[in-house]
Amino acid sequence: DAKTTQPTSMDCAEGRAANLPCNHSTISGNEYVYWYRQIHSQGPQYIIHGLKNNETNEMASLIITEDRKSSTLILPHATLRDTAVYYCIVRRLSNSGYALNFGKGTSLLVTP
Amino acid sequence: KAGVTQTPRYLIKTRGQQVTLSCSPISGHRSVSWYQQTPGQGLQFLFEYFSETQRNKGNFPGRFSGRQFSNSRSEMNVSTLELGDSALYLCASSLAASGGVPNEQFFGPGTRLTVL
Repeated sequence: DAKTTQPTSMDCAEGRAANLPCNHSTISGNEYVYWYRQIHSQGPQYIIHGLKNNETNEMASLIITEDRKSSTLILPHATLRDTAVYYCIVRRLSNSGYALNFGKGTSLLVTP
Repeated sequence: KAGVTQTPRYLIKTRGQQVTLSCSPISGHRSVSWYQQTPGQGLQFLFEYFSETQRNKGNFPGRFSGRQFSNSRSEMNVSTLELGDSALYLCASSLAASGGVPNEQFFGPGTRLTVL
């Protein structure tokens, strides 16, 4: 699976949009981009995934560049409860099963 | 629908002992994965089970083992505990039968293991 690069930490003011970047320049055509987050002392939580097109759900939006070498997770109106570590994961579909390579992630701090 | 449950939530053991952790997946989920999380190494994949068979394995020594039962519940065992095995052990379940389709994994709260 392709390697991802994320900033170590970011800050965001409550109520503003949080834009979390991820670089995956070696991504191949059959690899999906997944985002998970982990709030302190809890298990990771799935946020969103995408292949080529931009995706939106009730939690966030995922913007993937046309060349697919980078993506941005957008939390449109960040709240204090969005303070967490956010993981960008690139995963190839495989019938040999699931394994997520979490990496270090971005620690997002939402401030009042 | 109940989420992924893990028992016990906290555990203290001494070096050399063995430990068994339990995971009950979301009803209907047949894939169960285990991860180890430490401050130094982060979240690392241990293994995945599907239909009672280990389908995928991470880079951990043979002291780490697991199994899955016919009701999809899973256990992982660590023998001859070392201080470095102190970690949060997370279990995740998934609905999709095949790894060939995009899916999401649902994580439990984890078991915090401390080895003294």
